[in-house]
Amino acid sequence: DQQVKQNSPSLSVQEGRISILNCDYTNSMFDYFLWYKKYPAEGPTFLISISSIKDKNEDGRFTVFLNKSAKHLSLHIVPSQPGDSAVYFCAALPFNFGNEKLTFGTGTRLTIIP
Amino acid sequence: DGGITQSPKYLFRKEGQNVTLSCEQNLNHDAMYWYRQDPGQGLRLIYYSQIVNDFQKGDIAEGYSVSREKKESFPLTVTSAQKNPTAFYLCASSISARASPGYTFGSGTRLTVV
Repeated sequence: DQQVKQNSPSLSVQEGRISILNCDYTNSMFDYFLWYKKYPAEGPTFLISISSIKDKNEDGRFTVFLNKSAKHLSLHIVPSQPGDSAVYFCAALPFNFGNEKLTFGTGTRLTIIP
Repeated sequence: DGGITQSPKYLFRKEGQNVTLSCEQNLNHDAMYWYRQDPGQGLRLIYYSQIVNDFQKGDIAEGYSVSREKKESFPLTVTSAQKNPTAFYLCASSISARASPGYTFGSGTRLTVV
């Protein structure tokens, strides 16, 4: 039962344009969401997070949007750069106290075309 | 520099052998996690530990074992009972999943059964 879904396994975007990566979740207990970026043969690195009390969070070129009613979040990267080519994972955390286990999506491979 | 170190980077195992993957952190994090990455399946939780001398099974613990005798160390043993051990294994640690960066990941170990 995949509680966090990234339905696009891959995405190609022209350099300089906007990249939009999507993530859907089914568990209404999730209230905190994170995005990680992963290069081949390396560990994921943290990009940006959002709490369910907000609907948007921005950090430089990265913005995450959360639509709680649709159980959907998206990561916008603008402008896209060649170094953004990587696999992106969204992850979710439930609000029950003491539960620190992140549930990850299946990932989206982003390729930026020069 | 604080960080989390996984070794070895590549590991080859013969059928029927047990192997142990090392994970060491000097971040003073209480919680540590083991995930497995397979193509198209994202990151799946094998075991986690929130304090020394205590650990819990994750979603796919069968065929694996762990120990947490020291705060800094969380080794994972892949036993011969694990039917499909070839994968990329990631170790992570955390103070709090709700505080940036959530989890800090090691650079991973690629295990191949030969």
